Amino acid sequence: KAGVTQTPRYLIKTRGQQVTLSCSPISGHRSVSWYQQTPGQGLQFLFEYFSETQRNKGNFPGRFSGRQFSNSRSEMNVSTLELGDSALYLCASSRAGHTDTQYFGPGTRLTVL
Amino acid sequence: GESVGLHLPTLSVQEGDNSIINCAYSNSASDYFIWYKQESGKGPQFIIDIRSNMDKRQGQRVTVLLNKTVKHLSLQIAATQPGDSAVYFCAENSNNFNKFYFGSGTKLNVKP
Repeated sequence: KAGVTQTPRYLIKTRGQQVTLSCSPISGHRSVSWYQQTPGQGLQFLFEYFSETQRNKGNFPGRFSGRQFSNSRSEMNVSTLELGDSALYLCASSRAGHTDTQYFGPGTRLTVL
Repeated sequence: GESVGLHLPTLSVQEGDNSIINCAYSNSASDYFIWYKQESGKGPQFIIDIRSNMDKRQGQRVTVLLNKTVKHLSLQIAATQPGDSAVYFCAENSNNFNKFYFGSGTKLNVKP
């Protein structure tokens, strides 16, 4: 069974631009969560989608948004990029409930110049 | 909000020894915990999980212990190998779907 895939793996943008990251969950998984990982803040929860609906949201500004498609694939978008948005963005999928194991993808390394 | 922290940021052990990585959590309502291993350049990899109705769970060479009284979680790795060198994270969830809170991580160095 294929794991969680994320594209692109690496991305370089400049301040003020916007970016869209993509995540394909494990087949059969309906929940997709996004996390931001930085050396200073560690792993922080961005949001979670289930059946095309945002079910949970972390404490990030509105510049961070996401969506989920009917095939459970998900995208996240960051608008008006700031230097502090440079991070590893991780996507995790699980079947549905909160006690279902979350499996992570390899992440997208975003660098904002 | 919840916070999950680790006592030791770096742990060095000799190959073949047992390793113990600790984690403290603050939300007494948390009922599901996961340990992840993250190697350089990769996403976190699931190691083992435990639900709050259990005190101990064993996997292959790994054991997770949960002490709800003091809100403490530990990961024991038996016969540590060089391939175990990585950063280990604990994560907690309190019936809030997939909104996990992660600790800051412990780096495990295995010396040959």
